[in-house]
Amino acid sequence: QVQLLQSGAEVKKPGASVKVSCKASGYTFTNYYIHWVRQAPGQGLEWMGIIHPSGSTTTYAQKFRGRVTMTGDTSTSTVYMELTSLRSEDTAVYYCARDSTNGYSGYEWGSYFDSWGQGTLVTVSS
Amino acid sequence: EIVLTQSPGTLSLSPGERATLSCRASQSVSSSYLAWYQQKPGQAPRLLIYAASSRATGIPDRFSGSGSGTDFTLTISRLEPEDFAVYYCQQYGSSQTFGQGTKVEIK
Repeated sequence: QVQLLQSGAEVKKPGASVKVSCKASGYTFTNYYIHWVRQAPGQGLEWMGIIHPSGSTTTYAQKFRGRVTMTGDTSTSTVYMELTSLRSEDTAVYYCARDSTNGYSGYEWGSYFDSWGQGTLVTVSS
Repeated sequence: EIVLTQSPGTLSLSPGERATLSCRASQSVSSSYLAWYQQKPGQAPRLLIYAASSRATGIPDRFSGSGSGTDFTLTISRLEPEDFAVYYCQQYGSSQTFGQGTKVEIK
């Protein structure tokens, strides 16, 4: 079965960076794009961007361009999301999610999400 | 950016009742590229409906989606105890955006 296993919770100071990992199993890793979505405490869902697991293609939401970098490692079936210049407003649970399309959806932002990781809480506090 | 507005914010119902959740888009959602997710406390969201009306694998048939253009609806025909949760709509026809969620709580 499809599984996305994320790294553990992080506590960071303002101005620092965080890198969250998402290890995939149960399917052919390079056939499906991966999204990153975050959820601030008590708030809704916010799309951050999408990556082809090879790392060859990324599309970032405008809000995060310049601060987010998504990468992939096909040798370990893992994708990473790094967010820099952290501020308190970045405190959130960060999720990876698999795009539903086997291959390219035809849109640079992908399609809907059919599987999710368990989430990684990132706390930004001085 | 397409803004999705969900209503009501909270729906208070009893088990066995029918739930009707609305998702309205600020502009037409192309090809009915709209999905619904369910999220329970402390859990990741789960896909319920995609392409406005197609049920995801393993989703009970008490969940149904409808709509097109700018108005979409998620209906739960008879609420089961496990259905009390927060529901989000998502459009993927023009970038990706989510609604703010509707909480279905036990009355």
